[in-house]
Amino acid sequence: QQPVQSPQAVILREGEDAVINCSSSKALYSVHWYRQKHGEAPVFLMILLKGGEQKGHDKISASFNEKKQQSSLYLTASQLSYSGTYFCGSASNTGKLIFGQGTTLQVKP
Amino acid sequence: NAGVTQTPKFQVLKTGQSMTLQCAQDMNHNSMYWYRQDPGMGLRLIYYSASEGTTDKGEVPNGYNVSRLNKREFSLRLESAAPSQTSVYFCASSEARAYGYTFGSGTRLTVV
Repeated sequence: QQPVQSPQAVILREGEDAVINCSSSKALYSVHWYRQKHGEAPVFLMILLKGGEQKGHDKISASFNEKKQQSSLYLTASQLSYSGTYFCGSASNTGKLIFGQGTTLQVKP
Repeated sequence: NAGVTQTPKFQVLKTGQSMTLQCAQDMNHNSMYWYRQDPGMGLRLIYYSASEGTTDKGEVPNGYNVSRLNKREFSLRLESAAPSQTSVYFCASSEARAYGYTFGSGTRLTVV
């Protein structure tokens, strides 16, 4: 089942912070976060594993609540380059990764 | 480093025609995936291959077949294309389930 992301869209000014949430109804092995700019391929940002391990981007942080099957992506001091669509993905033990519907982030000067 | 290479980048097919989308990675990754993305939509998993010699269905496998030719290559075949298969197709690979995915640049397919 597809994870649910919220909000669907966010508009920020440069320097402001944002939080994107991702919720799954299934038990998860890991949560992934990707950013996609218009007309381009998705780019990996971060993976959060069951048990607390995280791997990913230096300037972006995220959390994973295993009990609630929820993850949040924190974008602080946003820059124009942060604009794009953010996707979370939920992965089972088999490695099958299902993506949410995406959150569009627009950062304005 | 090329990463994940997809060919072709663009393709127009007539309804009922067949074609194979090619994907190759040079990162020695074990797992490979095919996704489709429709306008304004998220990515939907078509098929995946957790390791060489294995393939499994994803969310939307109907109308597609795959072949994991070797560790590097994973192809997607449309046997009889339909307008509903008009989409952008992305191939991705990962070292293992505890690692992020690297995506190819995509194939824009239009079925008329």
